Amino acid sequence: GQQVMQIPQYQHVQEGEDFTTYCNSSTTLSNIQWYKQRPGGHPVFLIQLVKSGEVKKQKRLTFQFGEAKKNSSLHITATQTTDVGTYFCAAGNTGGFKTIFGAGTRLFVKA
Amino acid sequence: GAVVSQHPSWVICKSGTSVKIECRSLDFQATTMFWYRQFPKQSLMLMATSNEGSKATYEQGVEKDKFLINHASLTLSTLTVTSAHPEDSSFYICSASALLAGGLNEQFFGPGTRLTVL
Repeated sequence: GQQVMQIPQYQHVQEGEDFTTYCNSSTTLSNIQWYKQRPGGHPVFLIQLVKSGEVKKQKRLTFQFGEAKKNSSLHITATQTTDVGTYFCAAGNTGGFKTIFGAGTRLFVKA
Repeated sequence: GAVVSQHPSWVICKSGTSVKIECRSLDFQATTMFWYRQFPKQSLMLMATSNEGSKATYEQGVEKDKFLINHASLTLSTLTVTSAHPEDSSFYICSASALLAGGLNEQFFGPGTRLTVL
């Protein structure tokens, strides 16, 4: 079945440093979604990317979808302690149903 | 924004009993709901896709007779863990799918239910 690989598994950064998590699939994806889960909370939808080579920004967060639609990245500029949590990528099939989650990247930010 | 509720938020039960978890979309109709389970510090594993008015579609390795799913209305799906055992202890999360303007599909997650089987 479809699998989504996400790296790194976890990352420790100093507040103010940048952070990037990567998501890869062996198959072409119809879309990719990103979620953030705070410790003890539930996943919260951040964004969905659909187009090849798409780049979207949300304040300090930059999301990219690869040209081949097989990989994606989430980059956070100048991390803050509020960015702490686990970031999941999730691959959706046509229509966005049946979302398969990556393993997630746990971000730790030291003040 | 769209809100999805889950009840109960946590439950402790004895081995062999059945537990029902409800997932409701409060301010929108969801033709499709999903059930996930999440072990500590791990990713969400899709268990099944629940479609209103039809049988759920289970992922490989998920026992449909153990995890009964009912999607009786456009705002309610239930997951019943039958004859629960300690290995069923986990965090169960539902999500409801909503089609947004522009054709993009977004999932809204419930707060989750922590099940502990003694």
